[in-house]
Amino acid sequence: DAMVIQNPRYQVTQFGKPVTLSCSQTLNHNVMYWYQQKSSQAPKLLFHYYDKDFNNEADTPDNFQSRRPNTSFCFLDIRSPGLGDAAMYLCATSREGAPGYTFGSGTRLTVV
Amino acid sequence: EDQVTQSPEALRLQEGESSSLNCSYTVSGLRGLFWYRQDPGKGPEFLFTLYSAGEEKEKERLKATLTKKESFLHITAPKPEDSATYLCAVQASSGGSYIPTFGRGTSLIVHP
Repeated sequence: DAMVIQNPRYQVTQFGKPVTLSCSQTLNHNVMYWYQQKSSQAPKLLFHYYDKDFNNEADTPDNFQSRRPNTSFCFLDIRSPGLGDAAMYLCATSREGAPGYTFGSGTRLTVV
Repeated sequence: EDQVTQSPEALRLQEGESSSLNCSYTVSGLRGLFWYRQDPGKGPEFLFTLYSAGEEKEKERLKATLTKKESFLHITAPKPEDSATYLCAVQASSGGSYIPTFGRGTSLIVHP
């Protein structure tokens, strides 16, 4: 089945140690999103790729970066994780002109 | 600016006790309104897309309806397995139309 896959499901990292989360999709969707979701809060958009074009939200900290080497893969890099970066990170995809979004299962990040 | 407000924030029901969740929205032209179910520690799972006022969709014990200002997710005779957070999101038909705006969700607990 076509889907969005996030790895790993759970990630524990040390304070200040760089960490990379990955997302892959078999839907051939041209838009990919990274969201941060903390407990009892709405998903917060960090950035998204429209095809190869990177779009950063104004309030996304510089600590967060992303790469999209090809249509299928997208990575979230956290350069120096702080305790406040502990959250669920969600990857989603969509296709231009078609409503709706498909989410991955998320990566739960713990910072110790 | 597009806005989505969900109420109540939390809802506790007894098994079999029907109720409704509300999603009020403000958007500059609606392309689509989406309902998702999110279980703890997992990514949102797609439930419904509604496109225009008056539209209704059903899936098992869930029924989603849409007006020009709000959407309701009706839960008929809920079971404990319906316990989850229900997220509402809207997609505008203008501007950055592929970027969804999410509400904070309603946390539903159904007691046996």
